[in-house]
Amino acid sequence: GAGVSQTPSNKVTEKGKYVELRCDPISGHTALYWYRQSLGQGPEFLIYFQGTGAADDSGLPNDRFFAVRPEGSVSTLKIQRTERGDSAVYLCASSLMSTGGGTEAFFGQGTRLTVV
Amino acid sequence: QQQVKQSPQSLIVQKGGISIINCAYENTAFDYFPWYQQFPGKGPALLIAIRPDVSEKKEGRFTISFNKSAKQFSLHIMDSQPGDSATYFCAATLKAAGNKLTFGGGTRVLVKP
Repeated sequence: GAGVSQTPSNKVTEKGKYVELRCDPISGHTALYWYRQSLGQGPEFLIYFQGTGAADDSGLPNDRFFAVRPEGSVSTLKIQRTERGDSAVYLCASSLMSTGGGTEAFFGQGTRLTVV
Repeated sequence: QQQVKQSPQSLIVQKGGISIINCAYENTAFDYFPWYQQFPGKGPALLIAIRPDVSEKKEGRFTISFNKSAKQFSLHIMDSQPGDSATYFCAATLKAAGNKLTFGGGTRVLVKP
């Protein structure tokens, strides 16, 4: 596809369960970002990848959150032992490069995670 | 620590009117200031952006005004249309930090016909 694709669109899980959220970036985009958006708030940075490596994971709230990008394309955000406070929309964005200034980030439609 | 503060939280404007959204930032190292538009159920989409060496940028009905000394920037939407009804986010990035976006809290704009 032409844009950033995120699956699933919606995920309902029980407290304590493990979830995986997938992001398929625009082909050729080397930088990939994950953000979390709570209701009525702006997106908050979680982690970013340049290629396969996590260049900055300073936004991950705790060690229950982990993300991978093994082949430098698709990324998976993994949340262990989910809590109700993890409920939010998880957004993925990609851009052509991260080392240059001011490159446009393209966002997916997000995965709405609800922990019950 | 909220590095980018946005106001107002919501705004109602009549069709044809001007919508004005203001943002203030703290980190003087920020080097790129984009505005994003978000519709319900969609991800944010880049609307217009400015660099700190420019005081104003205009694209169609959208204008960014930038005041580096005051560490403030604003979005003006001229001739507002019902289709402009959305949530708008200002943001700031830092090249040295990988261009990760620091967003403001958002402004929900409603344009009444």
